[in-house]
Amino acid sequence: DTAVSQTPKYLVTQMGNDKSIKCEQNLGHDTMYWYKQDSKKFLKIMFSYNNKELIINETVPNRFSPKSPDKAHLNLHINSLELGDSAVYFCASSQQANTIYFGEGSWLTVV
Amino acid sequence: SQELEQSPQSLIVQEGKNLTINCTSSKTLYGLYWYKQKYGEGLIFLMMLQKGGEEKSHEKITAKLDEKKQQSSLHITASQPSHAGIYLCGADPPGGTSYGKLTFGQGTILTVHP
Repeated sequence: DTAVSQTPKYLVTQMGNDKSIKCEQNLGHDTMYWYKQDSKKFLKIMFSYNNKELIINETVPNRFSPKSPDKAHLNLHINSLELGDSAVYFCASSQQANTIYFGEGSWLTVV
Repeated sequence: SQELEQSPQSLIVQEGKNLTINCTSSKTLYGLYWYKQKYGEGLIFLMMLQKGGEEKSHEKITAKLDEKKQQSSLHITASQPSHAGIYLCGADPPGGTSYGKLTFGQGTILTVHP
């Protein structure tokens, strides 16, 4: 009964590949997010979707494309992966602007 | 833009000791969140503070937002190995409602030796 679940948890891939990370929340929240945690542990927002509509896009490269098929899902697709994309990606959700609940993270390593 | 600085950056304590982690903001805090992260796991929401002087507790963890709303402290009483992890403070942007655009501190790594 995980509230915010994301898959895969670990992903190792080569430069230039395209990969996706999936996220689902069963909390009934209307807002979902993708955050990125870099090697220095700084956590920064990438995207925010409210009722399937993009409301925050923090100057993320076009290679990153979020897709929200419905309110409970927000997937992250990354094209042409680069070494610098290696990080932990966290999916999260909230009911409007209330407390945000995070998933367990997806560890992406680009080699 | 708002910046959050946490101190200390890392902390090693003996089990049973009390400890405090601070989070200082460059601007007035409208909503301050404390999360805990364990390696290989996600961020666990601990507490949220909004009002100056507000204090909340959960088990042996107490968080407070100072009157001027520019600093928050997280205090752990009688620490246990289960308290080990990275503690992150996050803040709503100036003016409040952010749709999740929280700014986070760099985290404090807590190690508790048995």
